[in-house]
Amino acid sequence: EIVMTQSPATLSVSPGERATLSCRASQSASTKLAWYQQKPGQAPRLLIYDASTRATGIPARFSGSGSGTEFTLTISSLQSEDFAVYYCQQYNNWPTFGGGTKVEIK
Amino acid sequence: EVQLLESGGGLVQPGGSLRLSCVASGFTFNTYALSWVRQAPGKGLEWVSVIYAGGVGTYYADSVKGRFTISRDNSRNTLYLQMNSLRVEDTAIYYCAKNRAAAGIIHFDYWGQGTLVTVSS
Repeated sequence: EIVMTQSPATLSVSPGERATLSCRASQSASTKLAWYQQKPGQAPRLLIYDASTRATGIPARFSGSGSGTEFTLTISSLQSEDFAVYYCQQYNNWPTFGGGTKVEIK
Repeated sequence: EVQLLESGGGLVQPGGSLRLSCVASGFTFNTYALSWVRQAPGKGLEWVSVIYAGGVGTYYADSVKGRFTISRDNSRNTLYLQMNSLRVEDTAIYYCAKNRAAAGIIHFDYWGQGTLVTVSS
């Protein structure tokens, strides 16, 4: 099983600022990495797949990068609707998720 | 518009059984793999099971193997999860999720709103 570790657990950011979220895999996930956003009481929403491809309808302020064991999700200028929990998920093997990063208002 | 609507959750005693359903619309159901993903209260996401487009491939997380059975009825655009020998640790919201391809290990481009399963005496 590939263990996914996200950091930090909580990120406090002011609206308009840049947010950088990290995700590390215990072994190579190649570029088989997705990012999801989840708001309270809602289902997750796919943001990024194949490490850097934005899903349909996702704004350009969301970008993903990385390969192998190190991945990053960047939100270039946080909007009010972006405060949520973000999960990474690898699919190079049976799917596993990271523990999540909560992005909160500073 | 892709829609996934789960049902069948509820309160069940340890050792009991429950069958979840997920009715899909807005896409060609029989050409995509489908998964169940769960989330314990206040916790993260855990993949549970996947069934490939033709129904010939079914796979499970170790935590549910031998207790849960995934199936699909392509004529009814419906996905199922039969859950037997339920444990307290199976308590979670269960999401139905559409995979981006017919088979293979993949990620989830659409999710239902989930159905809550509570296992408690």
